Amino acid sequence: SAVISQKPSRDICQRGTSLTIQCQVDSQVTMMFWYRQQPGQSLTLIATANQGSEATYESGFVIDKFPISRPNLTFSTLTVSNMSPEDSSIYLCSVVRNRGPVAEAFFGQGTRLTVV
Amino acid sequence: AQSVAQPEDQVNVAEGNPLTVKCTYSVSGNPYLFWYVQYPNRGLQFLLKYITGDNLVKGSYGFEAEFNKSQTSFHLKKPSALVSDSALYFCAVRDLGLGNNRLAFGKGNQVVVIP
Repeated sequence: SAVISQKPSRDICQRGTSLTIQCQVDSQVTMMFWYRQQPGQSLTLIATANQGSEATYESGFVIDKFPISRPNLTFSTLTVSNMSPEDSSIYLCSVVRNRGPVAEAFFGQGTRLTVV
Repeated sequence: AQSVAQPEDQVNVAEGNPLTVKCTYSVSGNPYLFWYVQYPNRGLQFLLKYITGDNLVKGSYGFEAEFNKSQTSFHLKKPSALVSDSALYFCAVRDLGLGNNRLAFGKGNQVVVIP
């Protein structure tokens, strides 16, 4: 398994401000994923973060709103910029680790963000 | 594109009764199928997965799931539910035909086990 430390675990922020979420993994991984879980909805992939290159964003998500850093193979950050109440969600980082032919996903504890 | 459907919003079951959480999927290639559980104020935890082989997969905490290719289903089951099983359950699929590691999640089912 992989141990993923994600922080902060929760925050309440004023609209118009930005929050940076950190994700630390206990070993090197190639791909890290950032998901959003809006109230009452499923997880939606925001972007895939690869070390040494720009993140790949899914439809509906842009770098200006959700800038991502991936400085090394064990760490990534997601920033939620210029926040509005609609950004209130749980944000999760995830890594994929290959176990033989299978790639298995592991998740951080999540960051519960409330924008007021 | 891969997708997952969890048709029910909430599943209520009495403690000691069988628990079933339904999941159907859609992929272009062969699927890898997963169930995750999210307890209150906790991150997602892996329960079990189907890759290949026996259609009945056994996982953590006494859960199992049956892969049915003809019905494109992967329902989660537990013979006797516990109050501590009350949580949010997510079904997820990875489409091997797409050649990536991304998971598509269902919307989740809130399971409430009544004492």
